[in-house]
Amino acid sequence: GNSVTQMEGPVTLSEEAFLTINCTYTATGYPSLFWYVQYPGEGLQLLLKATKADDKGSNKGFEATYRKETTSFHLEKGSVQVSDSAVYFCALGQSGAGSYQLTFGKGTKLSVIP
Amino acid sequence: DSGVTQTPKHLITATGQRVTLRCSPRSGDLSVYWYQQSLDQGLQFLIQYYNGEERAKGNILERFSAQQFPDLHSELNLSSLELGDSALYFCASSVGVSPGEKLFFGSGTQLSVL
Repeated sequence: GNSVTQMEGPVTLSEEAFLTINCTYTATGYPSLFWYVQYPGEGLQLLLKATKADDKGSNKGFEATYRKETTSFHLEKGSVQVSDSAVYFCALGQSGAGSYQLTFGKGTKLSVIP
Repeated sequence: DSGVTQTPKHLITATGQRVTLRCSPRSGDLSVYWYQQSLDQGLQFLIQYYNGEERAKGNILERFSAQQFPDLHSELNLSSLELGDSALYFCASSVGVSPGEKLFFGSGTQLSVL
């Protein structure tokens, strides 16, 4: 079955530091890949996505590139802010037989300190 | 605001009891998903409905059931509750079941089984 593995947290960074959160996946076929973010006390919200190999998703300074050869979708940001403190989830989405499933990694908690 | 409404926000009950969680999807979305989030298991997919029909099942226990009504709202019924069922239950919705679909999440129902 499909699965997503992301680096364990928590990750603590100083403001303006570089962020990388690793994500690798296992899937058959050609899934779409996503990063969702969950701020304290809220539901998940889409941060960025990529739907085919070599696509780069980007939003709010975050980027991730769909690498089929390494089955990876690592999240990066050049300069994190305190407001980026949240839990980040890597996910893969796959359609089939009239259904659609989004499989999530376990999440990585990021804390950014001033 | 994602447009997905979940009620109640918090639920405290005792072992052996039965509860119903309710979800109203975003206007125009036909697909509803239920997820369970716990510290040890992460975000687990439970079940998906599309326009009233069950389309995919994940790690949903036999004690749990769900349905989607003609007005597209959905209910998740949890019965014979155990301590281990304590978790945050999320509902999400999407327009359809196409590849790359974006899910919109509600704020969740925090269930505490005492």
